[in-house]
Amino acid sequence: QKEVEQDPGPLSVPEGAIVSLNCTYSNSAFQYFMWYRQYSRKGPELLMYTYSSGNKEDGRFTAQVDKSSKYISLFIRDSQPSDSATYLCAMSPIVLILTGGGNKLTFGTGTQLKVEL
Amino acid sequence: GAVVSQHPSWVICKSGTSVKIECRSLDFQATTMFWYRQFPKQSLMLMATSNEGSKATYEQGVEKDKFLINHASLTLSTLTVTSAHPEDSSFYICSARGRRVDYGYTFGSGTRLTVV
Repeated sequence: QKEVEQDPGPLSVPEGAIVSLNCTYSNSAFQYFMWYRQYSRKGPELLMYTYSSGNKEDGRFTAQVDKSSKYISLFIRDSQPSDSATYLCAMSPIVLILTGGGNKLTFGTGTQLKVEL
Repeated sequence: GAVVSQHPSWVICKSGTSVKIECRSLDFQATTMFWYRQFPKQSLMLMATSNEGSKATYEQGVEKDKFLINHASLTLSTLTVTSAHPEDSSFYICSARGRRVDYGYTFGSGTRLTVV
């Protein structure tokens, strides 16, 4: 079993739809959760990060974490064609904040999203 | 926000030659750098982790003599693919982590290496 599972898609939605992207994980040590967006042949771009269970909102994006179920989600409201990309969830154990550095990330396989006009 | 600059974005080289890829953190000090490899339509595969001034830690199965990583300063890390072969053709991406938590792990734009 992979540590992080993510539906690879592809997921195709009409413009304006609400998109739900999900990841499940098995390692209870994961405490730091991130969502990245990756356009074709580009590096991943950090969209959101969160530590705690619950929701975190930033514009059209909402990240949701349920540690009891080991499940995280990213919701995109009013989806646009420019949102078409691959979305990667990533997570790590507790980050060593005071000393900098950091633990390595464990990524999901990515979900390919296409928002159509 | 944090910015990581990666160069070159695309390189073609002959089999047997070496290629160096640079990764620079432009507006923060990168205490840790990560190097990834990504195959088409697949997720990122971590190759190695390096902390400034220390030797890189390689993931299992990654040849440290083939993929040389140098993290000599807090703003620069390099990956050198030595004696490249066609099977080394891939998309290589660096990621940097600084002391500020809200920067997360910032990625470079990637380097597409083609070995002919």
